[in-house]
Amino acid sequence: DAKTTQPPSMDCAEGRAANLPCNHSTISGNEYVYWYRQIHSQGPQYIIHGLKNNETNEMASLIITEDRKSSTLILPHATLRDTAVYYCIVRDQDSGAGSYQLTFGKGTKLSVIP
Amino acid sequence: EPEVTQTPSHQVTQMGQEVILRCVPISNHLYFYWYRQILGQKVEFLVSFYNNEISEKSEIFDDQFSVERPDGSNFTLKIRSTKLEDSAMYFCASSQGVYSNQPQHFGDGTRLSIL
Repeated sequence: DAKTTQPPSMDCAEGRAANLPCNHSTISGNEYVYWYRQIHSQGPQYIIHGLKNNETNEMASLIITEDRKSSTLILPHATLRDTAVYYCIVRDQDSGAGSYQLTFGKGTKLSVIP
Repeated sequence: EPEVTQTPSHQVTQMGQEVILRCVPISNHLYFYWYRQILGQKVEFLVSFYNNEISEKSEIFDDQFSVERPDGSNFTLKIRSTKLEDSAMYFCASSQGVYSNQPQHFGDGTRLSIL
């Protein structure tokens, strides 16, 4: 099962910042937080990942709380093309000597409104 | 930007027939994966593959499924005798490595429809 909790849906006005929260209270010290999104049943698209420090790239920023129990993905200026399901994933290391799989939950459906 | 490509985009097959889904991973990547997504459901892991061997597989990946990298570029998923419940989107992914800080990159999938 996914180790994260996300709201099922959110709306954001076009041009405004979209802040997508994720709770991962059982994260362990060496597990990264990953964000992917899926547009119209296309393949999941990698956005960003982080361990403990805040991260920024050309797509988004990732803010991780100091206790690492939650994080927020920020899309600084949301456009209509950002409408998608956003998945917050903690790499699952429960299956022995490293697990390769990503465990997807239901994610947050972000609707960007004109 | 390099990407994972999958063919065909849509495959329609009669129940009981064999089907092969094809993927070309990103060229310098060493680890390869298949996931599936039944309509309206979560994306589910099927199998990971490295150095011509299966590294990890899920309970879904039973004896009807197999994977191989026949020519050093393509990565294929074969379903031996398809069932109606195999209808889904199948996504291929690849990564440079398997450390937690190395992301997997996905293709746009093959929609498999079993009649």
